[in-house]
Amino acid sequence: GDSVTQMEGPVTLSEEAFLTINCTYTATGYPSLFWYVQYPGEGLQLLLKATKADDKGSNKGFEATYRKETTSFHLEKGSVQVSDSAVYFCALRGETSGSRLTFGEGTQLTVNP
Amino acid sequence: GAGVSQSPSNKVTEKGKDVELRCDPISGHTALYWYRQRLGQGLEFLIYFQGNSAPDKSGLPSDRFSAERTGESVSTLTIQRTQQEDSAVYLCASSLVGYGYTFGSGTRLTVV
Repeated sequence: GDSVTQMEGPVTLSEEAFLTINCTYTATGYPSLFWYVQYPGEGLQLLLKATKADDKGSNKGFEATYRKETTSFHLEKGSVQVSDSAVYFCALRGETSGSRLTFGEGTQLTVNP
Repeated sequence: GAGVSQSPSNKVTEKGKDVELRCDPISGHTALYWYRQRLGQGLEFLIYFQGNSAPDKSGLPSDRFSAERTGESVSTLTIQRTQQEDSAVYLCASSLVGYGYTFGSGTRLTVV
């Protein structure tokens, strides 16, 4: 079945550092890929998405590229801020799973001033 | 409403008791989902409602778990005879089909 694997956390960075959170997936065909973010005390929010190979999703300075050859969708940001501290979830929607999403375990990011 | 509302936000219950968790989706969203997040783990799919179609119950972990939704409105997730392993955050989300989810803030359930 479909599955998503994220890099283990937590991740702690200093402000303005470069961020990468790795995400790889297992799915048949061509799933859609997502990153969700959960800020402290809030619900999960869609951060960005990509629906086909080589697409790049971007939002709020974050980017992720859908790599079919490596089955990856790594999240990157060039310069993190304290306000980026949150839990980040990678997710996929398989071709045969309707609207249902499969999530990774989440990665806690803490950015220190 | 403006967002997905879940209640209660926190619930502590004794082992063996039944609990009901409520989710108010965004008005007009035809799809509604329940997920469970145990401490340190990812989101585990429980059940999915789409309009008047039969729900996808394939993620419910045992027959102690059930959920209902009336039309395209409120949903309740019921856990009977709670066990300590049921302790988790229960998340509800709603969406239009094919669009991104909007999540509620969750109900943190603690079984003591």
